[in-house]
Amino acid sequence: AQSVTQLGSHVSVSEGALVLLRCNYSSSVPPYLFWYVQYPNQGLQLLLKYTTGATLVKGINGFEAEFKKSETSFHLTKPSAHMSDAAEYFCAVSHGTGGFKTIFGAGTRLFVKA
Amino acid sequence: DGGITQSPKYLFRKEGQNVTLSCEQNLNHDAMYWYRQDPGQGLRLIYYSQIVNDFQKGDIAEGYSVSREKKESFPLTVTSAQKNPTAFYLCASSIATGGYGYTFGSGTRLTVV
Repeated sequence: AQSVTQLGSHVSVSEGALVLLRCNYSSSVPPYLFWYVQYPNQGLQLLLKYTTGATLVKGINGFEAEFKKSETSFHLTKPSAHMSDAAEYFCAVSHGTGGFKTIFGAGTRLFVKA
Repeated sequence: DGGITQSPKYLFRKEGQNVTLSCEQNLNHDAMYWYRQDPGQGLRLIYYSQIVNDFQKGDIAEGYSVSREKKESFPLTVTSAQKNPTAFYLCASSIATGGYGYTFGSGTRLTVV
């Protein structure tokens, strides 16, 4: 069975500081891993994804994530936070053929202080 | 531009009433999904459909029903059997195979009055 754990329901950083949102997954087969962002009262938007190949993946808005199989992690980072990054972020895992039964983490709300 | 359209954005339901949430996509995606979002609980899968005229129950299907008569459309009905329907409902679609990820609509917020 697959599962996703996001460490920290809330993370607060200062503008210009490093953003680090943690995600650990459990999967019995090679996973596909995703990060999504959600702004208030909106749907989710895909930030980046890992399927195969290079383990460091770059996404939109300056975010990147690294797949570490040995640690079963897929942490999301951004070198310098901007006020517009304040949102909720979801890590998700699926596998194999199809996007069916994608499992989402509970989400981490990012606050950015001026 | 291609995307997913959910309507209405806000919906109010009286006790005992059925309501239908609309979801339309023009992405030519085979698979479509309905999720329910409650604060602090992430997204929970209600129903999904891999192909026209076929759909499967997700983790919290009780009190909900769907249809998939057209590739573009996947409406969700919240029936009176759903005892706690107040939530944010999200529709999504994906290419059926491969790790492409989901495209989401902008959601419908349903409130029981």
